[in-house]
Amino acid sequence: EAQVTQNPRYLITVTGKKLTVTCSQNMNHEYMSWYRQDPGLGLRQIYYSMNVEVTDKGDVPEGYKVSRKEKRNFPLILESPSPNQTSLYFCASSLRGLVYEQYFGPGTRLTVT
Amino acid sequence: DAKTTQPNSMESNEEEPVHLPCNHSTISGTDYIHWYRQLPSQGPEYVIHGLTSNVNNRMASLAIAEDRKSSTLILHRATLRDAAVYYCILRGVFGNEKLTFGTGTRLTIIP
Repeated sequence: EAQVTQNPRYLITVTGKKLTVTCSQNMNHEYMSWYRQDPGLGLRQIYYSMNVEVTDKGDVPEGYKVSRKEKRNFPLILESPSPNQTSLYFCASSLRGLVYEQYFGPGTRLTVT
Repeated sequence: DAKTTQPNSMESNEEEPVHLPCNHSTISGTDYIHWYRQLPSQGPEYVIHGLTSNVNNRMASLAIAEDRKSSTLILHRATLRDAAVYYCILRGVFGNEKLTFGTGTRLTIIP
């Protein structure tokens, strides 16, 4: 089944403890992206990647890192999480950029205390 | 980036057509209009997109005004499963692979 998977789905952590949220797609898509969703603010893009080793900032990249070493994986790294990064995170992929539809993962709910 | 304006919420009766409006008065000539929806407790889902002409697919139709300052997403026969938040998004094409979602329209379907 074609899908985008994220792990973990739920995570509670403490301020400053590095964490990684993984994202993987099995559709051979070139484009991948991370969003965060907060009440009243909608979905905001964090980072995106047009292809392997090509990443770029979205609208809210501060406090996040990404890497794209393989086509199928696009992990989101929080080196020193803070409470304002408590949010619902979505990973998405598309065949080749945004002219194609994006497929979203199920989301990761992160709480930083 | 050009901005879109959507009503915060709408209601519709089951099995009737639904017209979801979107205003984008500052749209540029090369901006595409994308629609996504988000069902409860799920990630967003692509619905449709277009540039100038009206578009149809298995999920919906997109009607774009002649001056492109507004568009309407049409669900031809609403079901309870169509209850979701619908996002109208503009996407530029030149060196811009970002999508900026607004807060969308929450559609409630009345049985």
